Amino acid sequence: EVQLVESGGGLVQPGGSLRLSCAASGFTFSDHYMDWVRQTPGKGLEWVGRSRSKADGYTTLYAASVKGRFTISRDDSKNSLYLQMNSLKTEDTAVYYCSRFEGDYWGQGTLVTVSS
Amino acid sequence: QSALTQPASVSGSPGQSITISCTGTSSDVGGYDYVSWYQHHPGKAPKLMIYEVSRPSGVSNRFSGSKSGNTASLTISGLQAEDEADYYCMSYRRSSTLEGVVFGGGTKVTVL
Repeated sequence: EVQLVESGGGLVQPGGSLRLSCAASGFTFSDHYMDWVRQTPGKGLEWVGRSRSKADGYTTLYAASVKGRFTISRDDSKNSLYLQMNSLKTEDTAVYYCSRFEGDYWGQGTLVTVSS
Repeated sequence: QSALTQPASVSGSPGQSITISCTGTSSDVGGYDYVSWYQHHPGKAPKLMIYEVSRPSGVSNRFSGSKSGNTASLTISGLQAEDEADYYCMSYRRSSTLEGVVFGGGTKVTVL
């Protein structure tokens, strides 16, 4: 059974940092591109970024709203995807999901609240 | 990074068909066959309904996707109460200045 489990969310002050993790199981993680997507309170879904697989050089893509502040990485030996979030702003408050590139499997989400 | 354009809401009676549009540009919807549709109930993970105009296994055949030019569409036939949810389109986007993925603003489907 495919599972994606996010962790690491919480309350952080503006300007602070947080690292989210996504633990994957039930499929060959190293073969898949992985995405981070967020949903802000009362608003829609927003794509955050993508980690390509080893076959494509582990390259990453980012939304303009987070580029330069967020960094996506992965550890295929641990079947894990990460989202390092720096210089956090109040508008980054959201539920953060990890998902497979194909969109067929998603985690349950982890809530990040940026507030003083 | 502007979102794809979707109607804010669409409604229909049980058994009717409804269509949700998703309008982009030649840099996203019109330029690639990478448009997906998601059903989202608040508090739950989004569910993939259409991927590249194909329907994943397990998704009802009442859901279908199509595309014409820069506009993609999701049609729900034989509308049922359980279809009431938010629906989002998503597309790969590539231009001279950026590459990534963009969502539509979401459409709230109400079953009357």
